[in-house]
Amino acid sequence: QKEVEQNSGPLSVPEGAIASLNCTYSDRVSQSFFWYRQYSGKSPELIMSIYSNGDKEDGRFTAQLNKASQYVSLLIRDSQPSDSATYLCAVNDDYKLSFGAGTTVTVRA
Amino acid sequence: GAGVSQSPSNKVTEKGKDVELRCDPISGHTALYWYRQSLGQGLEFLIYFQGNSAPDKSGLPSDRFSAERTGGSVSTLTIQRTQQEDSAVYLCASSLEGTVNNEQFFGPGTRLTVL
Repeated sequence: QKEVEQNSGPLSVPEGAIASLNCTYSDRVSQSFFWYRQYSGKSPELIMSIYSNGDKEDGRFTAQLNKASQYVSLLIRDSQPSDSATYLCAVNDDYKLSFGAGTTVTVRA
Repeated sequence: GAGVSQSPSNKVTEKGKDVELRCDPISGHTALYWYRQSLGQGLEFLIYFQGNSAPDKSGLPSDRFSAERTGGSVSTLTIQRTQQEDSAVYLCASSLEGTVNNEQFFGPGTRLTVL
């Protein structure tokens, strides 16, 4: 499987702040990138997908992709306590996904 | 619409027993994937189905693991002679097609504990 690296955290941010999550990947030919949110004891939930360089915004979430640097990030604006979870970065390896270990985010009220 | 469903949600078995895990994908999704999530191991790919065929079984950890899919829908993952290291959460995902851009949606998982 392709290597996908994430800071394990935990990342602690105050409510209302921006949480910034980073991910790097090893294979330059990767085409598709995904962010999943996983609450404790639950399965991963897809929150963002990005395929082209640049930014993609969806509500309070913004994904950023830089294929030249092999880097993808996720910004969570106006962080809420309900955003406290582990965020998994995934990169396509043909049709299957390779996952990072995840970054645990805690939003403190 | 209904998401991916998996059963059972929890399974406790004794070492050496066989277990079957079931996955029912999102209606109309032709691609189905099995992953495993262990503590300290992250999410690892097991097997991929396109329709009823499994073009990639490369992630199955040993020949004790097998899977099938019938009618292009429900899939069963079977683990024979379970070992303690098989304890994990087994996750099933489906996507509209098995292409590189297709978003994969996960079921709730089956937590397998081998005593």
